Amino acid sequence: QKEVEQDPGPLSVPEGAIVSLNCTYSNSAFQYFMWYRQYSRKGPELLMYTYSSGNKEDGRFTAQVDKSSKYISLFIRDSQPSDSATYLCAMISIQGAQKLVFGQGTRLTINP
Amino acid sequence: DTEVTQTPKHLVMGMTNKKSLKCEQHMGHRAMYWYKQKAKKPPELMFVYSYEKLSINESVPSRFSPECPNSSLLNLHLHALQPEDSALYLCASSQEGGLAGKETQYFGPGTRLLVL
Repeated sequence: QKEVEQDPGPLSVPEGAIVSLNCTYSNSAFQYFMWYRQYSRKGPELLMYTYSSGNKEDGRFTAQVDKSSKYISLFIRDSQPSDSATYLCAMISIQGAQKLVFGQGTRLTINP
Repeated sequence: DTEVTQTPKHLVMGMTNKKSLKCEQHMGHRAMYWYKQKAKKPPELMFVYSYEKLSINESVPSRFSPECPNSSLLNLHLHALQPEDSALYLCASSQEGGLAGKETQYFGPGTRLLVL
C-alpha cells in the first residue's frame, strides 16, 4: 500500500464546474499538507499549504484537511480551462527524514 | 520572489558525455533539492542539501553527482548516463529543510534530459 493514494484520473469537467480532488494517506505522522499544480512540461507550482484540520481558502481554491480520516481535498470553484493541469498532493511527516511524499497526481481537464 | 531557475531547459546527451545541470535561488533558502520526474509520475527525491551539506542521498547511482558550491547554487553533474535516465530533473528549495511552514518547497521549471 502506498503511503499516499491519489486517483490519477484523468478527470474531465465542463468550464464553471466545481472540481474536487482528493488524497488519502496511511501514516498519521503526516502533519503538513500541500497541493501543487503542474502544467505539462513545467515544474510543480505550490497552490496551497495547510497544517491544521479544517478549511483554508485562497481565491477559487479551498484546501480541506481531515486528519481523523486521513483525507485531504482540494476544491476548485468556477473552474477555468487554464486550470487544466496535473494536481499533486504532497505531505510531510514529523517523524524521520522530513521529505515530501507525493501522491500520483490527478490529471484534470476543464472543457470550454 | 519565489523563483528557482534552472539551466539548461533542455539537454540531449550521449551515454559517454559529461554534462551539468544548474539551479539557482535567491530567496535565502538554506535547503535545496534534486528530484527526477518521469512522465505521468510524481517527482522522486534524489538529493537534499541543507546548509550546503548533503543530508539525504536516496541511493542514487554514482553517475549522478550533486554539488552545492554556495547557498544559492546547486549543480547536478552527469556522467555515463543510461537512456532510462531520460526524465525531467527538478530543483527545489525551502527555507531551512525543517518544519512548521519552513518546509514549503518551491520548484524550478526543470531540465528535460534526453539520453541517447
